Amino acid sequence: QSALTQPASVSGSPGQSITISCTGSNSDVGTYKVVSWYQHHPGKAPKLIIFEDNKRPSGISDRFSGSKSGNTASLTISGLQAEDEADYYCCSYATFYTLVFGGGTKLTVL
Amino acid sequence: EAQLLESGGGLVQPGGSLRLSCDASGFRVSSYAMNWVRQAPGKGLEWVSSIGGSSNSIYYAESVKGRFTLSRDNSKNTVYLEMTSLRADDTAVYYCAKGIAAGYYYGMDVWGQGTTVTVSS
Repeated sequence: QSALTQPASVSGSPGQSITISCTGSNSDVGTYKVVSWYQHHPGKAPKLIIFEDNKRPSGISDRFSGSKSGNTASLTISGLQAEDEADYYCCSYATFYTLVFGGGTKLTVL
Repeated sequence: EAQLLESGGGLVQPGGSLRLSCDASGFRVSSYAMNWVRQAPGKGLEWVSSIGGSSNSIYYAESVKGRFTLSRDNSKNTVYLEMTSLRADDTAVYYCAKGIAAGYYYGMDVWGQGTTVTVSS
């Protein structure tokens, strides 16, 4: 199972909005409504910020939102803040009972 | 508050074995999916293995199938990852993660701090 495709890096200024894409196929993102997104500050534990394509766990800011169209899922962060600078990963269920992560996107807040 | 604590990492020679433990508190591992995810140096997250909540169904990534074994001890509220025939490309930080539900594919809402495995001669 190949990794889902994410841009290697994105950047934005404080207060702006950015979107990170996660492209898969009909074998994963396009078929199953279970894309999750994780924020990972290096050296810390990853943090779930979106599950089941567009749901936010309790305690996660509504500045984070998830969506999906066809084989591509997206994470949008609005009102960028300095603490949003981190690596972001998408994850999906894939056929044959596997999970697959995206390659990760490094977000830089300028 | 749900928490996970991994242990058992270390330096091991190629071909060797290691057992990782993941001690859970604040919830019952028998009720939720439990997962292992790793991150090799300079690389992204990679799913390794999962067990469904309230079931004994266990799933593995192709890269570890036949070499790694996930198990769960409900009486100790602990999950294990037995790793054999270790290779250099198994070198990574290994995270234990709790599923948000019994199904392992919905998402992972609690993560441990990770334990480092280094495979080298």
